[in-house]
Amino acid sequence: NAGVTQTPKFQVLKTGQSMTLQCAQDMNHEYMSWYRQDPGMGLRLIHYSVGAGITDQGEVPNGYNVSRSTTEDFPLRLLSAAPSQTSVYFCASSYSVVSPLHFGNGTRLTVT
Amino acid sequence: KNQVEQSPQSLIILEGKNCTLQCNYTVSPFSNLRWYKQDTGRGPVSLTIMTFSENTKSNGRYTATLDADTKQSSLHITASQLSDSASYICVVSATRSSGGYNKLIFGAGTRLAVHP
Repeated sequence: NAGVTQTPKFQVLKTGQSMTLQCAQDMNHEYMSWYRQDPGMGLRLIHYSVGAGITDQGEVPNGYNVSRSTTEDFPLRLLSAAPSQTSVYFCASSYSVVSPLHFGNGTRLTVT
Repeated sequence: KNQVEQSPQSLIILEGKNCTLQCNYTVSPFSNLRWYKQDTGRGPVSLTIMTFSENTKSNGRYTATLDADTKQSSLHITASQLSDSASYICVVSATRSSGGYNKLIFGAGTRLAVHP
């Protein structure tokens, strides 16, 4: 099994550009989520989904959109990139709310 | 305010030695406590999950303890290996009263370096 796959691994954007970070899982998990990891801070939840067609905001949702049309895929869209969105982004999935998270290997995004 | 604090921030030990990482939390209502290992450039990987009623859980050379009364947890690594060099993240899950996705509060991690 591939687990959770994120693409791309690295991305450089200019301020104002938009892009989509891809996330796919092959474990048939209902729960999927996006986090950002910044130096010296814990991971922070951006958006999450409890199943296809259902999404909700996390702690830091501003500037990001998500959709969940299938169980497998949970893309994260940056609408108009800002330097404050420079970070490492992780997608995660889990079987249930009390199960461990399975993380992808991240996308390192730099916004100049 | 829900918080998870880890100590130390960083630690250097010699290969073969033991070490203990600390996690203090103020999270309510408590659901479970998790430890993750994150290698450089990779996503975190789950080591243990402990609920309120569990006070010790092991995963190979990793042993986590939980004291729900004092709201403290520790991760003990026995006979360290070079491959243990990583960040260790404590995560506390808070139950949402409305159900659905539990809120996870992440610590900033302890960066462990194991030297030969």
